Amino acid sequence: QSVLTQPPSVSAAPGQKVTISCSGSSSNIGNNYVSWYQQLPGTAPKLLIYDNNKRPSGIPDRFSGSKSGTSATLGITGLQTGDEADYYCGTWDSSLSADVVFGGGTKLTVL
Amino acid sequence: QLQLQESGPGLVKPSETLSLTCTVSGGSISSSSYYWGWIRQPPGKGLEWIGSIYYSGSTYYNPSLKSRVTISVDTSKNQFSLKLSSVTAADTAVYYCARHRFLEWATNWFDPWGQGTLVTVSS
Repeated sequence: QSVLTQPPSVSAAPGQKVTISCSGSSSNIGNNYVSWYQQLPGTAPKLLIYDNNKRPSGIPDRFSGSKSGTSATLGITGLQTGDEADYYCGTWDSSLSADVVFGGGTKLTVL
Repeated sequence: QLQLQESGPGLVKPSETLSLTCTVSGGSISSSSYYWGWIRQPPGKGLEWIGSIYYSGSTYYNPSLKSRVTISVDTSKNQFSLKLSSVTAADTAVYYCARHRFLEWATNWFDPWGQGTLVTVSS
């Protein structure tokens, strides 16, 4: 069971917008920065968002991130079939068991 | 362009030690401000961080794996390595290496990632 909670799956039609939530606690999301990763089938994860809402070079602005309290959200607009993938959130957990934690992942289906 | 490549045996026997190496190209492993990390993903499951190392040798480990994990760095070869002892079938996973930007309370992200290597624990 993951420290960060994500919905197992979300779906939307091409061209639409979707959001993926990531819920944590004060020891992780509440006091640390969140990153998001896209994992296309059969490939390694790829950084989409870092420091809650920053996009690395080359990531289109269709992808956005936000954080409020102990939850974070990844938003994807103008959905494309190529966006079908698993999405993971990650952050640092500053509790006694200090470590990097990830969400369980969300499978995005573009209908 | 920074690239990372994992290498090592794809099959390890139960109770033995899993050993993998990550070779960094296109940049120096001695870059300041970056750690170098290992993450694994069991088949059909999510990501699990194993640990990270700074070029100086400073390490952070996942507390649940700490007793079995050793991560080391060889700056002369631009490589870092993972050793996981006393493996069981539960350690079967794709193992990824990645550059890790980490500063507690400030930032934490992995980029880029290696392509990953599947390690199966079986007799």
